[in-house]
Amino acid sequence: AQSVSQHNHHVILSEAASLELGCNYSYGGTVNLFWYVQYPGQHLQLLLKYFSGDPLVKGIKGFEAEFIKSKFSFNLRKPSVQWSDTAEYFCAVNTGGFKTIFGAGTRLFVKA
Amino acid sequence: KAGVTQTPRYLIKTRGQQVTLSCSPISGHRSVSWYQQTPGQGLQFLFEYFSETQRNKGNFPGRFSGRQFSNSRSEMNVSTLELGDSALYLCASSPTSQRGYNEQFFGPGTRLTVL
Repeated sequence: AQSVSQHNHHVILSEAASLELGCNYSYGGTVNLFWYVQYPGQHLQLLLKYFSGDPLVKGIKGFEAEFIKSKFSFNLRKPSVQWSDTAEYFCAVNTGGFKTIFGAGTRLFVKA
Repeated sequence: KAGVTQTPRYLIKTRGQQVTLSCSPISGHRSVSWYQQTPGQGLQFLFEYFSETQRNKGNFPGRFSGRQFSNSRSEMNVSTLELGDSALYLCASSPTSQRGYNEQFFGPGTRLTVL
């Protein structure tokens, strides 16, 4: 069965630290990849997406992610986090069907 | 454009009861998906509808059902509620897609508590 694994459930960083959140999926075919973010008290919203082309994709608020097909990974990065990045981050995979699989989420807390 | 709306926002029920949750997608979006969100489990896919047809279903018991109306609004129903059904139920709409991989726009969710 297809699955998405997010390695860290909780991450605590100080402001200006660099961030990398891991995401691995299990599916051998073509995938479409997403990172969603849920800020406290807000709806889930799209951070960035990869469908095809350049494996390094840029999203909102300075986030980027790199698709590495050989590693089945789609890690999220940000060079310098801010207190306002405190949120829960979800990696999601769609394999072309009408179903998107989400990871369990990573809660990020940024200390001011 | 107005976002995805879900009603009610909060619901408290007792075991054995049934519940119906409603979702209105963004205008023009014909695909609606439902998810159950619980701490530590992330979002678990329930089902997806497009033009009143269920195109995919997750691994939930038959107590969970849904439907979509001609105006794309969707409802989900949970019968014979169990304590473990307590969760945030999220609805997401997506632009028309034949290939199934568009981004999704989420509503605020309905927080269901089963006592």
